[in-house]
Amino acid sequence: GESVGLHLPTLSVQEGDNSIINCAYSNSASDYFIWYKQESGKGPQFIIDIRSNMDKRQGQRVTVLLNKTVKHLSLQIAATQPGDSAVYFCAENKAGRRALTFGSGTRLQVQP
Amino acid sequence: EADIYQTPRYLVIGTGKKITLECSQTMGHDKMYWYQQDPGMELHLIHYSYGVNSTEKGDLSSESTVSRIRTEHFPLTLESARPSHTSQYLCASSESPGGAQHFGDGTRLSIL
Repeated sequence: GESVGLHLPTLSVQEGDNSIINCAYSNSASDYFIWYKQESGKGPQFIIDIRSNMDKRQGQRVTVLLNKTVKHLSLQIAATQPGDSAVYFCAENKAGRRALTFGSGTRLQVQP
Repeated sequence: EADIYQTPRYLVIGTGKKITLECSQTMGHDKMYWYQQDPGMELHLIHYSYGVNSTEKGDLSSESTVSRIRTEHFPLTLESARPSHTSQYLCASSESPGGAQHFGDGTRLSIL
């Protein structure tokens, strides 16, 4: 399944499928990007980050892709599991800025 | 696993009361932040601190105040709570101003 993030706040996928969560950012000077996962009743948890000198970074079951030309960030989750159900936020930072800027989030629902 | 702690987790209180939300971190981070978040919505920065005796307002105007007398402690105070203050308040810390932030699990505040 695939979402367009800001325009489709909920993504529903079948267990075992791959998920793609998208995020558009606005500041072309942003040089650092993070994906966070927020489960119900908890604070956001760091998943993976990427700097602007990279196009792709892989973690355990997750991959972040950065397309600076169109200012687009995506999070790919392989073999989605029920435990992946949460709201996912992208965040960006421009060097020297005081804090991260967070996107509006996408809710991922994993159907058994 | 959490190195940043928020208390109380939940608070239901009447209008006009003075409230202090506690936040402590054990990572020795200089940078700390307070965010306001309505359920499932994006995070809005309301306060941040670069270190002891350094606090500034965030992007979202808030009637709350903060103090930073010790590195590890960053409490948020509402002098006179109102129903419009009902929200979730998240505290975070980071090593660098725009770096990855570690979040507490939040205080869910409800003003009657």
